[in-house]
Amino acid sequence: GQSLEQPSEVTAVEGAIVQINCTYQTSGFYGLSWYQQHDGGAPTFLSYNALDGLEETGRFSSFLSRSDSYGYLLLQELQMKDSASYFCAVRRGSTLGRLYFGRGTQLTVWP
Amino acid sequence: EAGVVQSPRYKIIEKKQPVAFWCNPISGHNTLYWYLQNLGQGPELLIRYENEEAVDDSQLPKDRFSAERLKGVDSTLKIQPAELGDSAVYLCASSSGANEKLFFGSGTQLSVL
Repeated sequence: GQSLEQPSEVTAVEGAIVQINCTYQTSGFYGLSWYQQHDGGAPTFLSYNALDGLEETGRFSSFLSRSDSYGYLLLQELQMKDSASYFCAVRRGSTLGRLYFGRGTQLTVWP
Repeated sequence: EAGVVQSPRYKIIEKKQPVAFWCNPISGHNTLYWYLQNLGQGPELLIRYENEEAVDDSQLPKDRFSAERLKGVDSTLKIQPAELGDSAVYLCASSSGANEKLFFGSGTQLSVL
């Protein structure tokens, strides 16, 4: 089986930096993805890490430590539009293996 | 480029009635997924297609759920008969080859009364 743990809620103010952690337990770990979903909207892909280290894409960065079964999504210079749910997801087995999503972290950005 | 298109956007039915959802993936995407998302939860895979072949359907409740992707393009997910517990958002996604990035549609929100 597999399990993913991420905080259920995070709040921050505009312009701040927030980190959303994700710990996982799974066999055959292949990679960790992050998706953003606004209320009533479609999940949208943010990032993917297969190797240890930090991947940066604009204001968002994602980190993976395979030895610690841990990753995080770092959001910088927060904007109101970043208020959404953020899901980590683990890929098992191979690049075509099943993708398992966590329960999501609801981020609220205050003005 | 058009995204993943799903219809209907909302569906309200009474229990024991049948219901069907339609998905048109991004052109050229050979992999198509159907996910179920309950309120406050992450998406859960129901079935994955590689072209017209269902390669991962172990999570699909086959007693009432069925899916098809006859020509390896668009797909239909059916529930018959629907139960109260089937109320959820049904998401379709597609991807291309070994690309990690899944493109999701906006989903069909099903309410079973």
